[in-house]
Amino acid sequence: GQQLNQSPQSMFIQEGEDVSMNCTSSSIFNTWLWYKQDPGEGPVLLIALYKAGELTSNGRLTAQFGITRKDSFLNISASIPSDVGIYFCAGRGGAQKLVFGQGTRLTINP
Amino acid sequence: NAGVTQTPKFQVLKTGQSMTLQCAQDMNHEYMSWYRQDPGMGLRLIHYSVGAGITDQGEVPNGYNVSRSTTEDFPLRLLSAAPSQTSVYFCASSPEGRRASNQPQHFGDGTRLSIL
Repeated sequence: GQQLNQSPQSMFIQEGEDVSMNCTSSSIFNTWLWYKQDPGEGPVLLIALYKAGELTSNGRLTAQFGITRKDSFLNISASIPSDVGIYFCAGRGGAQKLVFGQGTRLTINP
Repeated sequence: NAGVTQTPKFQVLKTGQSMTLQCAQDMNHEYMSWYRQDPGMGLRLIHYSVGAGITDQGEVPNGYNVSRSTTEDFPLRLLSAAPSQTSVYFCASSPEGRRASNQPQHFGDGTRLSIL
């Protein structure tokens, strides 16, 4: 079945720094999604990608659908305290069900 | 606000007890699903439904049952709770139905379940 590897597992940064995280899959995907989860809440969609090479922004967040269709990247510029949380990638290939990465826990020191 | 509503938010059970986790959505979404979230393992699909009357197994279905009698509701049943089922459970929905699409999912706020 499809598997996702998300890295890093955790990040500790200073406020104002840029953040990068990525996901790689064992097979080709045709959809990549990035979610953020705040404590005590469900994941909320940040960015959806549907085409290889696609680069999409949502405010300070930018995500890319890798050319190989086996990876995706999420960047956060000029981090602020409300960026704290767990970020999940999710992907789907063909008729397969959506699979999720293990998550990246972001902690920001003010 | 419109969205996915899960009840209860917290529950403690004893081993062997049964219970039903409720999920309702008011967006007329065809696709609904249940995930469990465990530390370091992300979200794993338990069961899903592509429309009323149709359900199927996900990655970790053992110990759980589902039914979909209406478009709005998708309850998850634990028949005989086990400590290994201690987890946070999330229900999600999307417009995706029988026709394949890549619509992202909308999640509820979760049910935190502890089995003693």
